[in-house]
Parts: sequence; C-alpha cells; structure tokens
Amino acid sequence: SQWGEENLQALSIQEGEDVTMNCSYKTYTTVVQWYRQKSGKGPAQLILIRSNEREKRSGRLRATLDTSSQSSSLSITGTLATDTAVYFCATDDNYAQGLTFGLGTRVSVFP
Amino acid sequence: DAGVTQTPRHEVAEKGQTIILKCEPVSGHNDLFWYRQTKIQGLELLSYFRSKSLMEDGGAFKDRFKAEMLNSSFSTLKIQPTEPKDSAVYLCASSLGWGGAGDTQYFGPGTRLLVL
Repeated sequence: SQWGEENLQALSIQEGEDVTMNCSYKTYTTVVQWYRQKSGKGPAQLILIRSNEREKRSGRLRATLDTSSQSSSLSITGTLATDTAVYFCATDDNYAQGLTFGLGTRVSVFP
Repeated sequence: DAGVTQTPRHEVAEKGQTIILKCEPVSGHNDLFWYRQTKIQGLELLSYFRSKSLMEDGGAFKDRFKAEMLNSSFSTLKIQPTEPKDSAVYLCASSLGWGGAGDTQYFGPGTRLLVL
C-alpha cells in the first residue's frame, strides 16, 4: 500500500470549530491532492499541493506538505454543517496506475 | 459542460448474474478510471484507460471484471459472474490526461451494487 498507516478516522465537531486531518505516504510523490466525498456523491477535488510547495490555501482550506516526513495535512477553518463528508488524500506515486487514494477521514460537523 | 455520468445508480443482482455498469466521461477527457469503493478497502483501482487504450487492468480483479472503452465517450464495466463480495459502490472518473503530475480526476456519482 502507498499509505504508511491506516488513516481511516472519524471526527465529530461543532459548527464553527476548526479541524485538521492528516495522512502519510510511503513513496515519492510529485503532488498530493485532497478530495471530499459527500454522501451519495463521488469524490471531488478540493486542493492540490505540489512537492515544491509547503502550504496551499483555498478559501477556508489549508493544505500542507512535508516531503521529508512524507505527510500532508488538510485544515478547514470555521467549519459548516455542509463540510460534513469523507476527506481523502491522494498521491501520484505511480501515475501509470492513476492516483492512489488513502482510506479517508470522516468528518461530521454538527450545528 | 456535463460531468461524469453513471448508470444505473443502483443495481441489485443475484449471485452468478452478469451485470454491466455504464459511464460517460467528461467530454474531451482522455483518461478514464473505474474504482471500487468499500468501507474496508477504500477506493481500489479496477481499470485505467488512456485514449481508449487499457493502461491498467486491476490485477486481482482481472478474472471476473472486464472494462471496455467502446469510444472516447462511453465505457462499460462488466462483472461476470457476480458474487456477494462484489457488493460495493463502483465509481467512474475521468481526467484530461495531459501527462503531467497533478491531473484532477472528476468522478461520477457511482453505482451502488448489491449482490444477494
């Protein structure tokens, strides 16, 4: 597996709180992509961070990448109930086979 | 532009049946992917096409799973014969396939398959 740890997690938070989720990977990657999947839908890309970037922001989202520790994080500030979803990180360690997805983090935001 | 469409959205099959799932990628995309999604295994790649050529045939899934890309705008995934362990959500995704790192994949809503 591409992933160094089983990273299926579940987080429950209240609206307005900030949340951070992490993933680590075993092999070299040129990018880390973060996807969100809402119930009954397919995953949708949120943010992409390249290996020469340490941080990337998009609205309330902030992604970090530490290539030395082969880990990435996604933070959401001021969560909303609509942020309730499963969040996946994905790498392109072997793009001949497409992206490799982690198991995901289930985030439940309660009003 | 229309996104990735998948039909049917739900399928119930008896063990041993043959089922065919359908996918229409985003117009102009060169790469098409089929994934199986379960709570235990997460997203598993079944097949990957680039410009209609099969790049990856899913290894362990080869024996009963067959994906085809009949033209650049239509793909099918056949499962034959189905087994209860095939119960999962099957996702289709497409991307531009420009060959660089960081190609975004656009997913369809998935087909939820239940095999009895």
